[in-house]
Amino acid sequence: DTEVTQTPKHLVMGMTNKKSLKCEQHMGHRAMYWYKQKAKKPPELMFVYSYEKLSINESVPSRFSPECPNSSLLNLHLHALQPEDSALYLCASSRSPGTSGANTGELFFGEGSRLTVL
Amino acid sequence: SQQGEEDPQALSIQEGENATMNCSYKTSINNLQWYRQNSGRGLVHLILIRSNEREKHSGRLRVTLDTSKKSSSLLITASRAADTASYFCATSLPGGGNKLTFGTGTQLKVEL
Repeated sequence: DTEVTQTPKHLVMGMTNKKSLKCEQHMGHRAMYWYKQKAKKPPELMFVYSYEKLSINESVPSRFSPECPNSSLLNLHLHALQPEDSALYLCASSRSPGTSGANTGELFFGEGSRLTVL
Repeated sequence: SQQGEEDPQALSIQEGENATMNCSYKTSINNLQWYRQNSGRGLVHLILIRSNEREKHSGRLRVTLDTSKKSSSLLITASRAADTASYFCATSLPGGGNKLTFGTGTQLKVEL
């Protein structure tokens, strides 16, 4: 069983809706991630939070808005999405980097939230 | 892009046979990791090999890393139907912060 919990598992929304994806981990990890995965493609990094601060934004459109309220929670707020945004959204966490800041170890993934935009 | 290219894209074998997947990447790495993904599910970490390591084993898995060729291979021995999944390599770059970039993946099917 994964120790990263994502809700909801499935979400269908219209292009004018506002919704949120939620992710929670209780492993004490201080780095959390959002990845987007289209069918038969690899996961693509969207955002990374390190110590609750946004450290990487892979030029993601502003209709995706991440939030890290505390070290255990990660949200992805969705607004005015397009049908091409339909995908599996994966949350992951990892132990905090060392002081060198460049030691990405094992990622623990949730089961994902499958998003369909109509 | 640092995205790894995996080869083959798809592999079909009989139960009990060995499966080998290859990953090539473009620039120097901090470490290389392998993940498994069952259809429509989250990814599961299999093994991590650091840039100064050449080979690692974990149960039926054997990973090699050749930094001079910028390539890695994953060998699954004595495969089982339950090994049917997609397998991805992922690279972490020196100074890349918490960025892990996934390769294109190999779809493995193990038939009874």
